[in-house]
Amino acid sequence: QVQLVQSGAEVKKPGASVKVSCKASGYTFTSYYMHWVRQAPGQGLEWMGIINPSGGSTSYAQKFQGRVTMTRDTSTSTVYMELSSLRSEDTAVYYCARDDPYCSGGSCYLSNDYWGQGTLVTVSS
Amino acid sequence: DIQLTQSPSFLSASVGDRVTITCRASQGISSYLAWYQQKPGKAPKLLIYAASTLQSGVPSRFSGSGSGTEFTLTISSLQPEDFATYYCQQLNSYSWTFGQGTKVEIK
Repeated sequence: QVQLVQSGAEVKKPGASVKVSCKASGYTFTSYYMHWVRQAPGQGLEWMGIINPSGGSTSYAQKFQGRVTMTRDTSTSTVYMELSSLRSEDTAVYYCARDDPYCSGGSCYLSNDYWGQGTLVTVSS
Repeated sequence: DIQLTQSPSFLSASVGDRVTITCRASQGISSYLAWYQQKPGKAPKLLIYAASTLQSGVPSRFSGSGSGTEFTLTISSLQPEDFATYYCQQLNSYSWTFGQGTKVEIK
């Protein structure tokens, strides 16, 4: 069965960086793009970016350009999200989510069918 | 970026009620819309994709409709396990966005 298992909670100081991992199993890792989404305490969902595990190409939300880096390791079926220059507003639960394309009539409709359990990142001095 | 606006933001309903949540896009997104359910402390769960296609394993009381800029999620008969927060998500371009969420609470 498909599983996305994320690394554990992190506590970081302002200005530091954090790297969260997401290990995939139960499917062909390189066949599905992976998204990263975060959720601040009591707030909604915020899309951060996407990575193609096959070639490593990425696309980031404008808000995070220059601060986020998404990478992958095909040997371990793991994707990583690194966020730098952390500030208190980055305190959130970070999720990885698999991209599942449904193609019909010449169009492909995307959605996130499997999600990791979430990783709480706390930024505090 | 395409903005999604959900209404209402908060909804109080009783078991058995028919519930409708609306999601409006700031520009046309065809049917590139998904709906998720999230319970406290849990990851979101996919309910609907391509605006109206029910994800495998999701009860048939959930349905989605719409295209272009206006979409709806309907729960035909609210069950106790449906009390949660619901989000729409647009996937029309390489800058996906979510609506702000609709919290469905017990009346």
